[in-house]
Amino acid sequence: EADIYQTPRYLVIGTGKKITLECSQTMGHDKMYWYQQDPGMELHLIHYSYGVNSTEKGDLSSESTVSRIRTEHFPLTLESARPSHTSQYLCASSEYGQPKETQYFGPGTRLLVL
Amino acid sequence: AQTVTQSQPEMSVQEAETVTLSCTYDTSESDYYLFWYKQPPSRQMILVIRQEAYKQQNATENRFSVNFQKAAKSFSLKISDSQLGDAAMYFCAYRSATGTASKLTFGTGTRLQVTL
Repeated sequence: EADIYQTPRYLVIGTGKKITLECSQTMGHDKMYWYQQDPGMELHLIHYSYGVNSTEKGDLSSESTVSRIRTEHFPLTLESARPSHTSQYLCASSEYGQPKETQYFGPGTRLLVL
Repeated sequence: AQTVTQSQPEMSVQEAETVTLSCTYDTSESDYYLFWYKQPPSRQMILVIRQEAYKQQNATENRFSVNFQKAAKSFSLKISDSQLGDAAMYFCAYRSATGTASKLTFGTGTRLQVTL
């Protein structure tokens, strides 16, 4: 399995709370991604980063924000969680330079907002 | 925009048998990559196999092989000698070969059950 980690794996939280989902990779990859996956559904890209101090919004609009201060770290933050944010969040990373840009995925964080 | 369609929400195969998972995609691009990812229950998503669109030869990885039909925009996955550990969600994904974003577009997935 790839060296990409996500914490927490499961999170149950009340509406209005601020949460940060952590993602770290030890492969030295420049590119990192956040996907949202609802049960039984495809993954949708919500954020990505080319490298340090680079962040872009993905195809699916999200109220979350991300930061990339260090190469290995790509946290996702929700300032005020709502039940509509309940989902699984997957982090991924890839090495820059085609065709080797296979994305490696973390184990995911399952978020439940009550 | 590219789309990826997996028309089989669930499939079942007996251990040691062969199963084929279907995937079609829509794109106006000529150069791209196609992937099959496997997501076991509560475990990490891992890459199963990758196909470059400019290669006519179908990719193979041990018991996994693809049937890539570029003109038909079809990319099916064949699993031979199925094992219990093959049970998982399988996602087909598309990535453009142009640009630097490397964004993946996923299908809705096929849940594969492996029975004894």
